[in-house]
Amino acid sequence: NAGVMQNPRHLVRRRGQEARLRCSPMKGHSHVYWYRQLPEEGLKFMVYLQKENIIDESGMPKERFSAEFPKEGPSILRIQQVVRGDSAAYFCASSQGPNTGELFFGEGSRLTVL
Amino acid sequence: QQQVKQSPQSLIVQKGGISIINCAYENTAFDYFPWYQQFPGKGPALLIAIRPDVSEKKEGRFTISFNKSAKQFSLHIMDSQPGDSATYFCAASRSYSGAGSYQLTFGKGTKLSVIP
Repeated sequence: NAGVMQNPRHLVRRRGQEARLRCSPMKGHSHVYWYRQLPEEGLKFMVYLQKENIIDESGMPKERFSAEFPKEGPSILRIQQVVRGDSAAYFCASSQGPNTGELFFGEGSRLTVL
Repeated sequence: QQQVKQSPQSLIVQKGGISIINCAYENTAFDYFPWYQQFPGKGPALLIAIRPDVSEKKEGRFTISFNKSAKQFSLHIMDSQPGDSATYFCAASRSYSGAGSYQLTFGKGTKLSVIP
């Protein structure tokens, strides 16, 4: 499967715990993006990363959220001290370049905070 | 501030009919307008996209109509089929140097149900 791979697909956390979501981009893609989808809402941009660099984190909440895309391994979106409002679907997308306009999305990670 | 407004929120169409979904945007710097299709439990998949240098783009049963002066664009699905039942999102972005096309602004989605 050469598509964008995300795991876990479903994650349940209690308030105050940490959530780690992983994303492996499509083969040949070096640009990764994270989007969040709240219930009954469209997707909202969070962060754009290239290997070892955060290019644009303008959509990321200032606290508790962080993202990385190390030289080896998947991109990780980390949410510390989760709250109920963090419950959402988190989608990763990848592209060959930032200006191609075509993003390929994974199937998402659905976080539920109890 | 919602920069891309999408309507209707839900749509029921008979098999064989035409499904029409509309979007309006505010930011005149947007120059890339894709439509994404999302099935339950899946990620959005690019369906068709248009840039403002053309007023219409057709791919199979799917057509985007674009009205730059009105800042509106729409998706038409001809001969709608039950397999088209999904949520459709319009989006917009700008692609000048320094910003990129990655920061898509999505509408809230339209849930389409095509009944036999």
